[in-house]
Amino acid sequence: AQRVTQPEKLLSVFKGAPVELKCNYSYSGSPELFWYVQYSRQRLQLLLRHISRESIKGFTADLNKGETSFHLKKPFAQEEDSAMYYCALSGQDAGGTSYGKLTFGQGTILTVHP
Amino acid sequence: DTGVSQDPRHKITKRGQNVTFRCDPISEHNRLYWYRQTLGQGPEFLTYFQNEAQLEKSRLLSDRFSAERPKGSFSTLEIQRTEQGDSAMYLCASSPTRGRAQYFGPGTRLLVL
Repeated sequence: AQRVTQPEKLLSVFKGAPVELKCNYSYSGSPELFWYVQYSRQRLQLLLRHISRESIKGFTADLNKGETSFHLKKPFAQEEDSAMYYCALSGQDAGGTSYGKLTFGQGTILTVHP
Repeated sequence: DTGVSQDPRHKITKRGQNVTFRCDPISEHNRLYWYRQTLGQGPEFLTYFQNEAQLEKSRLLSDRFSAERPKGSFSTLEIQRTEQGDSAMYLCASSPTRGRAQYFGPGTRLLVL
């Protein structure tokens, strides 16, 4: 079974402060981890994925297999970062092909105050 | 707009009625997924297709639910004899066969009275 846990339903920070959204997962195989974001009145969209090791909108996330975590971080939060953030997991077969389905956490609502 | 589209965006129905939702994926994407999202929860996987083949179904998908993708392009999700517990946002997503990122549609919000 695969499970994703986002322990904080709500997170509030002030503009310019660092922000970290926590994500822990449970999966016996080789996982692929994603962060999705949903801005107000918009569709769910991909923010970043661990295999890309990229920084999007100043956000980064590192997969820590020892701690089974994939926390999302940004050093200086902006008001436009206010949104719902979902961590998601997909399993992979031995050849690296995704099994398909995503398992999502419950989401964290980030509010950045001016 | 070349993104994933869903129709209708909203549906209100009475308990016991049948409803059908449509999803049009990004044209070159072979995989198509359905998820359900209830208030305060993340999306939950329902089923997915690779081309026209339905490869996996969740236990959440009761016998009242059926999904099709007859020509490997658009997909429909039908709910028969709707119940109040079916009220939710139904999300569709698509991805390339070997790609991992899924691209989501705007969703269809269902309210069963």
